[in-house]
Amino acid sequence: AQRVTQPEKLLSVFKGAPVELKCNYSYSGSPELFWYVQYSRQRLQLLLRHISRESIKGFTADLNKGETSFHLKKPFAQEEDSAMYYCALSGLGGNTPLVFGKGTRLSVIA
Amino acid sequence: GAVVSQHPSRVICKSGTSVKIECRSLDFQATTMFWYRQFPKQSLMLMATSNEGSKATYEQGVEKDKFLINHASLTLSTLTVTSAHPEDSSFYICSATRGGGETQYFGPGTRLLVL
Repeated sequence: AQRVTQPEKLLSVFKGAPVELKCNYSYSGSPELFWYVQYSRQRLQLLLRHISRESIKGFTADLNKGETSFHLKKPFAQEEDSAMYYCALSGLGGNTPLVFGKGTRLSVIA
Repeated sequence: GAVVSQHPSRVICKSGTSVKIECRSLDFQATTMFWYRQFPKQSLMLMATSNEGSKATYEQGVEKDKFLINHASLTLSTLTVTSAHPEDSSFYICSATRGGGETQYFGPGTRLLVL
């Protein structure tokens, strides 16, 4: 079964502190992993995808197939990072739907 | 580029009426559109996958006769909630992709409240 698990509903960190949002997945085959972010009163938008191996807004995520994890990390949190973060997976090849985790709300405290 | 719009953004209707929600890709042709539903404080759940010119593929547990999806063009998909009931009240979100491994772009969502 396809499943994405985000164990933390809420994560609060101080500004400047490191951030790690956890994501584990189960999938039979080779999935593509994503992180989406939803800022207050805005639509869901792509933050990063594992195949592009980009760093966006200082966030990185490494796919660990052994641990079936795709944790999102940032070395120094900023107040503007406060948002809802969703980990998601899909099959490779495009045109396949996303399976979302339940999301983690990140709150960065000044 | 890659903007997806939804209309209306918010709708309130009486129980038993039908509601149509539009999803448009404004600056690209979307071979595939997806419809998700999000209940309060829960994650997005896929309802159906819609390919232009063909019948939508519904997820298990989603009634195709209740949630009618039409993807008549490469820029427009519609979701009609027929004979809406209060339990259909939710946040409906669409996404669109050009296909071929391209990312999905999400609409802003439509909040439906059935009284």
